[in-house]
Amino acid sequence: GENVEQHPSTLSVQEGDSAVIKCTYSDSASNYFPWYKQELGKRPQLIIDIRSNVGEKKDQRIAVTLNKTAKHFSLHITETQPEDSAVYFCAASIGQGAQKLVFGQGTRLTINP
Amino acid sequence: DGGITQSPKYLFRKEGQNVTLSCEQNLNHDAMYWYRQDPGQGLRLIYYSQIVNDFQKGDIAEGYSVSREKKESFPLTVTSAQKNPTAFYLCASSILVTADEQFFGPGTRLTVL
Repeated sequence: GENVEQHPSTLSVQEGDSAVIKCTYSDSASNYFPWYKQELGKRPQLIIDIRSNVGEKKDQRIAVTLNKTAKHFSLHITETQPEDSAVYFCAASIGQGAQKLVFGQGTRLTINP
Repeated sequence: DGGITQSPKYLFRKEGQNVTLSCEQNLNHDAMYWYRQDPGQGLRLIYYSQIVNDFQKGDIAEGYSVSREKKESFPLTVTSAQKNPTAFYLCASSILVTADEQFFGPGTRLTVL
């Protein structure tokens, strides 16, 4: 079936440095790509999303890029802070009418002070 | 996402028992989803519904059942046929029936004793 691969599974960076998480997807019809942040024991929360008609989107310290040809999209976090520590999930829309999301396996990001 | 609630927060079940997890939303969203999350893994889709009295199987529907009698409610029953039901269950809703931002509930942690 359709899937999303996410790398790396764990990422540790120094406070103030940048973090990059990458995802690849298999369904060429995918047109919606959200990123969720999940803190321990909490619900996932949307932090940024991008649609297939856009190559890049930025919101303060967070940016997402999309390469439709290569079926890659990435999350970039600049000037990382301790509160950025969490698990991040990427997802891609799949299915007839893009009714569903398929999620990556997650990246545990740790910001070291 | 404050408009989507799940109950109970923690649930303990003996093997062989069915159990129903509640999910309610007051966001007037058309689509609702149930996901299962296992430790260190991503979210896997169990069932989803785009309209009242209609629902579709996700990737791991075996051993689960749902109903959608009201727009605001989408309960999930974990049956005794589910071989490994211990997990964190997340309900989500979205305003559109095509892929769009999904808002998650706080989750129910089910433990089978």
